Order: sequence, then C-alpha cells, then structure tokens
Amino acid sequence: DAGVIQSPRHEVTEMGQEVTLRCKPISGHDYLFWYRQTMMRGLELLIYFNNNVPIDDSGMPEDRFSAKMPNASFSTLKIQPSEPRDSAVYFCASRGQGELETQYFGPGTRLLVL
Amino acid sequence: QKEVEQDPGPLSVPEGAIVSLNCTYSNSAFQYFMWYRQYSRKGPELLMYTYSSGNKEDGRFTAQVDKSSKYISLFIRDSQPSDSATYLCAMSASGLSGAGSYQLTFGKGTKLSVIP
Repeated sequence: DAGVIQSPRHEVTEMGQEVTLRCKPISGHDYLFWYRQTMMRGLELLIYFNNNVPIDDSGMPEDRFSAKMPNASFSTLKIQPSEPRDSAVYFCASRGQGELETQYFGPGTRLLVL
Repeated sequence: QKEVEQDPGPLSVPEGAIVSLNCTYSNSAFQYFMWYRQYSRKGPELLMYTYSSGNKEDGRFTAQVDKSSKYISLFIRDSQPSDSATYLCAMSASGLSGAGSYQLTFGKGTKLSVIP
C-alpha cells in the first residue's frame, strides 16, 4: 500500500483565496483524521470521520473551515476565505479497526497564506 | 494548564548517549500512551504504544508510564544520528470501543539531535 496520500504537498496562496486540501486514506481504513501543526500550538485535531461520517468537528477553528468525505477513499479540507493565520502544515491520518491507537499519517500539506 | 506538556527542547546529545524524553499530563482519564517520531518535513509515525502504567521495551527504545504521577517517558539507548527527529507524546482516553473515541491529544514535541 502507498500509505496515506495528500495533495498538494505545498500550497502558496493569497489571503481571501479558497484552498482545498486532499487526502486519500489507506485502503480499508475506516477512520480519517485531519490535523493542523504549527510551532505555537503543535498538532491539533480538526475533525475526524468514521465510515465517511463526520464524528467530531469541534476542533475546526471557524466556519471558514469545512471538510467532506464523499467516499471511503477521498476526503477534502477546504478553507474559504483563507487568512495568513491559517498558514500551517495540514496532516491527514487514517486508521483501521483493531489497530489499537495507531494512526498512519500522510506527508502533510504545507500551506502558506500571504 | 494544557492537557499535555512536553519540553520542546531542542535537545542535543552525542552519539551513543542515553536520551530521556518526557511528558506530563493532567487528564486522569488517559490510559493509552504513545510516542510518535517525526522526521523533518514528514508526517509523524508511531514508535511506541503503552496501555496504562508500566514499561515497554522495543530494541533500543523503552517507554515508561507512571499514572500516579501523570508522567510518561521515552528512553533511547545507544542513540544514533538516525534518531535525530522530533518526538511527540500522544494520549487517549479510549480504546477499541466507545462512541466518540480514538481522539489523540499530542504534546508539542521535543526536537532531538544526535551528534556523530
């Protein structure tokens, strides 16, 4: 398996623009997590899905953030409109049933909002 | 008080040294404890996993959990330059079952450099 795949790997955009981050979880995994990592706040859970259904989005910072999982092999995290304080590394992770607490992380998307 | 506290370092040690990394936490409901390793510009990867109190050893790595003190440690013996990375502790109050479970709370990470 190729592991968790994220795209794009890097994104530079201007304030006010829409940003869409994409994730393909490991095949067969039924949990998908979106995290944001910054130096100041560390790794923060934004939202997670179970069987494509959002379970907890309490970590989503504002209404500008939205996430979808239309099927078991694809998820998006959208920021509209983007702001400079959204600059961070965004990670997607997945896990399967019976894997205890192991989450497999993707390589991340480095977002810079100018 | 943050739920999980971890000294960000950086920590620099000579090759072959014993490294001790630590986290403290405040939520007594945490019972699953993990250490993740994150290389530069990569995603975190699970290194060690421990349930409740006690020790767990895997090669050069030993994880310790002291729930009475709300303190966990990761020891690295005979440290190698390839161990240079950021180490994040993570904790969960849940296990395999339970609605709304599987959420991990991470420390901010300690950046370790092992000098040849």
